[in-house]
Amino acid sequence: AAGVIQSPRHLIKEKRETATLKCYPIPRHDTVYWYQQGPGQDPQFLISFYEKMQSDKGSIPDRFSAQQFSDYHSELNMSSLELGDSALYFCASSFVNQPQHFGDGTRLSIL
Amino acid sequence: GENVEQHPSTLSVQEGDSAVIKCTYSDSASNYFPWYKQELGKRPQLIIDIRSNVGEKKDQRIAVTLNKTAKHFSLHITETQPEDSAVYFCAASEGGGTSGTYKYIFGTGTRLKVLA
Repeated sequence: AAGVIQSPRHLIKEKRETATLKCYPIPRHDTVYWYQQGPGQDPQFLISFYEKMQSDKGSIPDRFSAQQFSDYHSELNMSSLELGDSALYFCASSFVNQPQHFGDGTRLSIL
Repeated sequence: GENVEQHPSTLSVQEGDSAVIKCTYSDSASNYFPWYKQELGKRPQLIIDIRSNVGEKKDQRIAVTLNKTAKHFSLHITETQPEDSAVYFCAASEGGGTSGTYKYIFGTGTRLKVLA
């Protein structure tokens, strides 16, 4: 079965640079979620989109923005990167109120 | 907003024994409670879930119980095996209203070690 696809899998950036993470949800899923997971921590909700509209916002810094496109894929844009942004970034998708399925994540390292 | 507490943070059991992980939530509006298993550096994988209209759910060696009055839910793993070793996260969902989204608030995780 098709799963959530995230790219890239690994990304290395320097402070103050920008990064773009991509997420392709499971076909026919209408909702995309972004989570940030620091080392040894639980995933923290950042933002979600339902039918291409932002539907909820969590602890997402103002330096980050995201959108969902007409083909339902989503991108998380991160600017002015800081050392503390180093984390695993997961995208998850779901259909209405069904369980969320997570992608394999993007490991972002800030040097 | 919702807050989820999870205990214990680490748990070691002998192979074949049972393991129990407990979570409490604060928002009585939460109505969906999934459990995820996460191996190091990998994605969280759903292992079982329960909705607020059900008190207990079982899937082979895994079961989840929910006490809405006390706002707590628990994961039970019987006949543990070494491959059960991982970090387990509980989560609570606040529901989506008209937006159709159900963000998860996760507990802090339990590192389970099954000793052979």
